[in-house]
Amino acid sequence: AQSVTQLDSHVSVSEGTPVLLRCNYSSSYSPSLFWYVQHPNKGLQLLLKYTSAATLVKGINGFEAEFKKSETSFHLTKPSAHMSDAAEYFCVVSGSGNTGKLIFGQGTTLQVKP
Amino acid sequence: KAGVTQTPRYLIKTRGQQVTLSCSPISGHRSVSWYQQTPGQGLQFLFEYFSETQRNKGNFPGRFSGRQFSNSRSEMNVSTLELGDSALYLCASSLDPSGPTDTQYFGPGTRLTVL
Repeated sequence: AQSVTQLDSHVSVSEGTPVLLRCNYSSSYSPSLFWYVQHPNKGLQLLLKYTSAATLVKGINGFEAEFKKSETSFHLTKPSAHMSDAAEYFCVVSGSGNTGKLIFGQGTTLQVKP
Repeated sequence: KAGVTQTPRYLIKTRGQQVTLSCSPISGHRSVSWYQQTPGQGLQFLFEYFSETQRNKGNFPGRFSGRQFSNSRSEMNVSTLELGDSALYLCASSLDPSGPTDTQYFGPGTRLTVL
């Protein structure tokens, strides 16, 4: 069975400082991993995805994530936070045999202070 | 290219009623998945349709059902509404997630409130 654990429910950073949102996954085979962002009262927007091509994945808006198989982690980072980054972030896993089914972490709320 | 659209955006119903939500996928996308989002349970998979066939189903009661039309538009129906059905219902479309690398693109959601 596949699962995703987001290690922090809430992260607070100051504008201009680095962002780290942590995610661990569990999968019996090589997974596809995603990070989505949800702004208040909006749908989910894809930030980036890992599909085994490269372990360091670059996404939109300066975000990137590194797949570490030995640590079963897929942490999301950004060098410098912007006020517009304040939102909820979801780490997501999908796998073969589960057509159309994404498994979501519980989400991390990112607060950016001026 | 237009994104995923969902109608209506907001809905208020009373217990015992039924409701139908609609989702229009991105042009060319043949798969539609539905998710329920609540503060307590987070985002949970409801079901997925491809070429008018349900290929996968989550762990929800039979009151939740769906269908897909030949133009890939999808509807989900909830019968005999309960207070706990209050949630944001999101649909997502993709080309064909038969492989796990496919990407799902989400609509803005329908906010259902059951009184």
